[in-house]
Formats: sequence, C-alpha cells, structure tokens
Amino acid sequence: EDQVTQSPEALRLQEGESSSLNCSYTVSGLRGLFWYRQDPGKGPEFLFTLYSAGEEKEKERLKATLTKKESFLHITAPKPEDSATYLCAVQARGGTSYGKLTFGQGTILTVHP
Amino acid sequence: EAGVAQSPRYKIIEKRQSVAFWCNPISGHATLYWYQQILGQGPKLLIQFQNNGVVDDSQLPKDRFSAERLKGVDSTLKIQPAKLEDSAVYLCASSRDFSSYEQYFGPGTRLTVT
Repeated sequence: EDQVTQSPEALRLQEGESSSLNCSYTVSGLRGLFWYRQDPGKGPEFLFTLYSAGEEKEKERLKATLTKKESFLHITAPKPEDSATYLCAVQARGGTSYGKLTFGQGTILTVHP
Repeated sequence: EAGVAQSPRYKIIEKRQSVAFWCNPISGHATLYWYQQILGQGPKLLIQFQNNGVVDDSQLPKDRFSAERLKGVDSTLKIQPAKLEDSAVYLCASSRDFSSYEQYFGPGTRLTVT
C-alpha cells in the first residue's frame, strides 16, 4: 500500500526565515510526486510534479527536490502570503487506478510578518 | 480557462438524511475524481471516472455512497443515509485523461452531519 508521511505537522516562521518541509513516501513504483498548496476553504492548488530522483523544480520562493525515499519543499525568504497547508502526494505506476493520488496529511505553514 | 466547479459549497444535514454533490470538470477533461478530506487529513480518493466509466471505486463505501457521470461530463456524488463520520470536505478534481499527471481541484463542498 502506498504511504506518504509529511513533517512537521505545523511550522511557524518569521518573514524571511527560510526552512524546509519533508515528505517521506513508499510506493510500489513512482510515477510522479506532487506538491499542492491548500488555502483555508479552498481546494488544493497544483505546484510541482517531480518524476525521478535528483530532479528539482522551482517557482518563486519555492523549490522542490526528490530522492528515492523523500521529497523536500524548500521555502526561501518566505512572506506572510506563503501561509497555507502544503500537501504532498504520490502517484503509482500501474495498479487499478492509474491516476490515483495518495496524499500525506499536510504541513500547516504560518509565516509571521 | 474555467476551473472545476462544485455545488453546493456548504451543506448541513442530520444523520440518516441523504445529500448530493455536483461537479462540473474543466472542459475537455476526460478523467474525473472524487476525494474525501476529513479535517486535518489529506484528501482520500473515493472514485475515479474515465469519461462515463468507473476506473476505481475500491475506497467508496458502496452501502451508502454512490456516484455517476452519465454523459461523461458532470458528475454527482450521493450519500444515503449519512453518518456522523461522513462530515468532511468533498473535493472534485479533473485531468485531461487517466495518463495525465496533473489533477486540478474544485473548491470542495463542506458537509456537516449532525
């Protein structure tokens, strides 16, 4: 069974204080690892897809990296508007549901001005 | 491009009542997903459609939940009868087809069962 564990559960940062969120996963065969951002009362918003170990992707203050067992979401010089829940999900190769996403529980990020 | 639409946004019902949620995916997207997100948890897949056919409903509690996508576009998810533990946000997502990587989510319907 595919599993995703995110840490920490919650993270409080001061504006400008860089940090990282962790996503550990087990999957029979990784097709893709996804990062989503979710604001209160809204659906998850797609950020990145990573396909293979060693891959990195960046978007503004966010950088996602991938190894064979985990992914990191690095936040550089965060701003209050980066406050949200960040969700990690994996998609397995093959199986009964080709597109199924298995999510972690999320990390709640709060950035104080 | 319009996003995934869902209605209603909020619903409060008593246990043992029935409820239905509606989803309109992004135009041209063949694959549609329903996820359940309980407070403090990540979304969990309930059912996946490819056009109007079911691809995966292994985690759908079929004794009380049902879903359909009759014309391969809009979809409806129904709960009958509802239980307290069904209180959650029900998210609809769509992708171009089952081999597409990215899924795009709607705003969700928040269900409270009292």
